[in-house]
Amino acid sequence: AQSVAQPEDQVNVAEGNPLTVKCTYSVSGNPYLFWYVQYPNRGLQFLLKYITGDNLVKGSYGFEAEFNKSQTSFHLKKPSALVSDSALYFCAVRVLNTGGFKTIFGAGTRLFVKA
Amino acid sequence: DTGVSQDPRHKITKRGQNVTFRCDPISEHNRLYWYRQTLGQGPEFLTYFQNEAQLEKSRLLSDRFSAERPKGSFSTLEIQRTEQGDSAMYLCASSLVTGARGETQYFGPGTRLLVL
Repeated sequence: AQSVAQPEDQVNVAEGNPLTVKCTYSVSGNPYLFWYVQYPNRGLQFLLKYITGDNLVKGSYGFEAEFNKSQTSFHLKKPSALVSDSALYFCAVRVLNTGGFKTIFGAGTRLFVKA
Repeated sequence: DTGVSQDPRHKITKRGQNVTFRCDPISEHNRLYWYRQTLGQGPEFLTYFQNEAQLEKSRLLSDRFSAERPKGSFSTLEIQRTEQGDSAMYLCASSLVTGARGETQYFGPGTRLLVL
């Protein structure tokens, strides 16, 4: 079955330290991968996506993600975390099924950045 | 604001009542999606429209759920005879599909439904 997994429910990091939010996927064919962020009582905001090309993708707010085909991973990273980065992060994969392309979301990882 | 908007933002209803939510997509976007999100979970796909055509419905969408996009612009999602299990955040997203597979969906703020 095609799926996306976020193995950590929560990630804690001190402000100024690098952060990583993990994502692994299982799809047939080439994956189209996305990261979204959700602040309390808000909808999801698009951060970045990988379609093809350079494995390191840069996105909004200083975030980047590295596509690793051999490890089927697409981890989200930021060199220096801010308190304002505290939010819920969702990894998503776009897959082809019988009805066309569909986006499957992971369960989310809550990021806490402590001052 | 030119983003995706949803109305209402919150809805409290009694079990058995009907509710209707509205989504206004980004104006030039031709595709519109509905998702449901429960606490601690990522969004789950419900249905989507390409212009006014409803192209796919999830098995999550029971007969009590119906969605429309009559003029290819705004969309409504109606839930009839609501049940407590329908309590969730209902998210709308829109995108501009130009043939590229990596379309980006832009989400509205959601409508939080509580069924008592």
